[in-house]
Amino acid sequence: GESVGLHLPTLSVQEGDNSIINCAYSNSASDYFIWYKQESGKGPQFIIDIRSNMDKRQGQRVTVLLNKTVKHLSLQIAATQPGDSAVYFCTPSKIIFGSGTRLSIRP
Amino acid sequence: DGGITQSPKYLFRKEGQNVTLSCEQNLNHDAMYWYRQDPGQGLRLIYYSQIVNDFQKGDIAEGYSVSREKKESFPLTVTSAQKNPTAFYLCASSTLTGSSNQPQHFGDGTRLSIL
Repeated sequence: GESVGLHLPTLSVQEGDNSIINCAYSNSASDYFIWYKQESGKGPQFIIDIRSNMDKRQGQRVTVLLNKTVKHLSLQIAATQPGDSAVYFCTPSKIIFGSGTRLSIRP
Repeated sequence: DGGITQSPKYLFRKEGQNVTLSCEQNLNHDAMYWYRQDPGQGLRLIYYSQIVNDFQKGDIAEGYSVSREKKESFPLTVTSAQKNPTAFYLCASSTLTGSSNQPQHFGDGTRLSIL
């Protein structure tokens, strides 16, 4: 069946550096991808989305890159701040959520 | 201010007891969803509903039941048949387009524990 997996369960980044969170998916027919941020004890919050007819999409301090050839996405967070500490999920659907990547910020 | 409200934030269940988790949205969304999240894990879909008076099972529906009598409300009942109910329960809603691809809005969850 369809699956999605984030490459690293945890990521530690120095405050002010850029963070890159990677995600692989299995279904080549997937045409829409969403990144969510989940802070401790809260529900996931929408960050950014991208459709399969795009390779890149930028938001405020975040960029998502999509490589359909290798079925891979990445979320880049510029100038990482303490408030970016959370678990990040990528999902191609409302059914498949991987276990996420926990981003920790070092002062 | 529009959003999704889940209540209660914390809930305790005794053995053999059914408990109901509330989820209300004022976003005028057609679709609503229930997920279960265990520590350090992702979200697993329990049930979803795309229209009033209709709902479908997700991957882990056993031991759970739902109703969708109103567009705004999608309560989840954790029955005594669910032998391992301790988890964080998340409700979400979304609009439905022709492609059905729209981001979801999530509530802040209900943490259910066994007494």
